[in-house]
Amino acid sequence: DADVTQTPRNRITKTGKRIMLECSQTKGHDRMYWYRQDPGLGLRLIYYSFDVKDINKGEISDGYSVSRQAQAKFSLSLESAIPNQTALYFCATSDTRTGQPQHFGDGTRLSIL
Amino acid sequence: GQNIDQPTEMTATEGAIVQINCTYQTSGFNGLFWYQQHAGEAPTFLSYNVLDGLEEKGRFSSFLSRSKGYSYLLLKELQMKDSASYLCAVRPFRDYKLSFGAGTTVTVRA
Repeated sequence: DADVTQTPRNRITKTGKRIMLECSQTKGHDRMYWYRQDPGLGLRLIYYSFDVKDINKGEISDGYSVSRQAQAKFSLSLESAIPNQTALYFCATSDTRTGQPQHFGDGTRLSIL
Repeated sequence: GQNIDQPTEMTATEGAIVQINCTYQTSGFNGLFWYQQHAGEAPTFLSYNVLDGLEEKGRFSSFLSRSKGYSYLLLKELQMKDSASYLCAVRPFRDYKLSFGAGTTVTVRA
């Protein structure tokens, strides 16, 4: 089983719909992150969380919200999806105690028509 | 803000060596990471430098010069499976967020 699991893996939806992307981890890490990746732009941080109920904005948080109700789960929501949110989304985790590098989930490919 | 630059694309021949450069200007520095990402897949960790010098791990090596804001990833004895995007990322001081460069796509040809 994967250490960092994202669901769904692929999603096609329409403009204006509400969408939730889920991330769960079995690594016991305290920190979790959501990124989006677009061709030529690399990975950009949307939101991150250092612990349960802790939420911090990244560089591109507008149009997104997150929830961290449990240490193992971090969900990303698009309240009203728009086409320029079409991208590949990654969840990642890291451990404050060890300072180890971030570990990434397999990604969610989201297309908004 | 953070500014991380790396070349967009590089091409090399199987068995050869390729060096991917990364320059950075960041508000602080607490380590530089290299990740490998195959198309459509998750980034996977390759190497980490926090002190100046060369870190070697098998066919891959990474170098850091903090005074120059410069790092490189060296891939030796290239194999077809090394065709991927290579991401340079910097962790600012006392902050566990990573700032990523746009990535360098390496194509290995027979």
